This record gives sequence, C-alpha cells and structure tokens, in this order.
Amino acid sequence: GAVVSQHPSRVICKSGTSVKIECRSLDFQATTMFWYRQFPKKSLMLMATSNEGSKATYEQGVEKDKFLINHASLTLSTLTVTSAHPEDSSFYICSAREHYNSPLHFGNGTRLTVT
Amino acid sequence: DAKTTQPPSMDCAEGRAANLPCNHSTISGNEYVYWYRQIHSQGPQYIIHGLKNNETNEMASLIITEDRKSSTLILPHATLRDTAVYYCIVRVSEGGSYIPTFGRGTSLIVHP
Repeated sequence: GAVVSQHPSRVICKSGTSVKIECRSLDFQATTMFWYRQFPKKSLMLMATSNEGSKATYEQGVEKDKFLINHASLTLSTLTVTSAHPEDSSFYICSAREHYNSPLHFGNGTRLTVT
Repeated sequence: DAKTTQPPSMDCAEGRAANLPCNHSTISGNEYVYWYRQIHSQGPQYIIHGLKNNETNEMASLIITEDRKSSTLILPHATLRDTAVYYCIVRVSEGGSYIPTFGRGTSLIVHP
C-alpha cells in the first residue's frame, strides 16, 4: 500500500526558533500534498495545499509567512514553522495523493511543542 | 460544498458488526465518498471509498444508498483495535480542485 513518511514524529523547540517537518511519499509520486493541524480532541484543520513545483495555496487564516511550505519534488514536501511560539504547539499531519481522485495517504503526524 | 453529518460517538461489542452512518445530502453526482479513521495520536488511515455501488475490501464494506444521500461503513467483526475516530468525507470541489476537509467524525469505541 501507499506509504507516507513524516519526520520528525516529535519535536520540542524554544520560542523564536524555526522547525522543519518533512513529508515523503515512499512508493508513489504525489502530485498534491496537504498539510493539516489538529488540536486535542478536535478534527483535522486543513492549513494548505501543495502542488509540486508551484506555490502552496493557504487556507484562510493561515499565515503563509509563518508556515512555509515547499514541495520541491513529487515525493517531498516540507513545512517550516518559523519563529515558533507556544501557541504553535500542535499536532501537524501531512497527506499525499497520487492522482486527482486517489485516496489520501497520511503521515503519522508530528507533535510540536514550543517552550 | 458537500458536507457530511455523522453521529459523534458509537460503541459496539468486540466481534460484532459496527455500522457507522454518514449523511451527505448535498453530494454531487460525480463526488466520491471516502472513509478514513484515526487512531489516537496517529495520522488518519484510508479505509475505503465509493461513488455509487457498494464496495468491499479487506478492511470494511461501504454501502451507499441509491439516492447517494447517505452511506454506511460496516466493520463486519469489530476488534478492540478498531477503536478510533471515523471520518466520512466527500470530494469537495472548488474551481476544479479537490479540497479534502474533515468534519468531527464518529468516535467508535469497541468494548470487550
């Protein structure tokens, strides 16, 4: 089955620093990747849509300068949380799909804690 | 946008069938119904999807009503490891692109 690898699974950083999260599709080429954020006991909130070779499309209310997304290849997308603050602490999840109607395949998420 | 409505929680006994309903009354003719589940502190897992016909795979069965306004995910023999939040989503189209959004889902608890 299609596998999406997300790294790191957990990260603790200090306020003001930046954190990069990687999302890789291991056995398929992902034309589109999505980044979600999830708060405790809440559903997934879509942050942005990333297409290979083009700029990401951010959802309303998501700061593009704070959450930098790069989709440099068909198998790799990265999310960089810049100048992190404690309120950025959350569970971040990426997903990828191969084709337009393909199912989404998810990474196992990254638990970010900003101290 | 096609939205979905699911009961917030359900429970079933281990070994019994778990039937999880989903209403999607505004679904368009070419929109698929997808089901995912999320076990605590993990990324969601794809289960099954369908358009019109009922579908079955090694994980579950998907029954879609003839008018396509609702569907039911069936786990034929639930195990404790099936305890998770189950999400039903439909393809939301905006300008030709697919924007997958998740509702609150159904928290299924399988008990011994």
